[in-house]
Amino acid sequence: QVQLQESGPGLVKPSETLSLTCTVSGGSVSSGSYYWSWIRQPPGKGLEWIGYIYYSGSTNYNPSLKSRVTISVDTSKNQFSLKLSSVTAADTAVYYCARTTVTTGPYFDYWGQGTLVTVSS
Amino acid sequence: DIQMTQSPSSVSASVGDRVTITCRASQGISSWLAWYQQKPGKAPKLLIYAASSLQSGVPSRFSGSGSGTDFTLTISSLQPEDFATYYCQQANSFPLITFGPGTKVDIK
Repeated sequence: QVQLQESGPGLVKPSETLSLTCTVSGGSVSSGSYYWSWIRQPPGKGLEWIGYIYYSGSTNYNPSLKSRVTISVDTSKNQFSLKLSSVTAADTAVYYCARTTVTTGPYFDYWGQGTLVTVSS
Repeated sequence: DIQMTQSPSSVSASVGDRVTITCRASQGISSWLAWYQQKPGKAPKLLIYAASSLQSGVPSRFSGSGSGTDFTLTISSLQPEDFATYYCQQANSFPLITFGPGTKVDIK
């Protein structure tokens, strides 16, 4: 059974960089059958796709966040990471990592439990 | 960008009811659509992909239909564990992925 687990600070100051890591177990980020995505959800609101990475390092980002987002992958640790720079209160959200199908999708078939990141001084 | 809308935004229903949720895309997306269920404090769960394919392990009371711009998610007989918020997601404009605003199904 594939499991994903987000980790990182729950509180980030305005203008700083949000950094999160997703650790994958029961599956490999090196699989060519999947992308690995980040998705966020502000409190009480809907879902926003942030971006994804392929095992090769190829990435795609939501244009609305592209200038501030970097997603990277560490195949040796079976992890992928998110960095979001110059954060503001609007970036306060639950951040999810998710496995994303390639052949039938892209659809998000396995999700982490999510981690709340609050942007506040 | 492809915009997704859902209707209704909320619906009150009873156990055993048939519930239908609609998702509309601002332009044609063929069958590149998924449906997710999200319960409070939990991650979304994939129910339907490719508009009508049931994800493994999802009860058969859930079904999806549609293509082009109009899609529906139907719960044939609502169960207590089905009270949740449901989101559609388009995958046609890949790599840009967008979600609908959600439909909350609550107890009547």
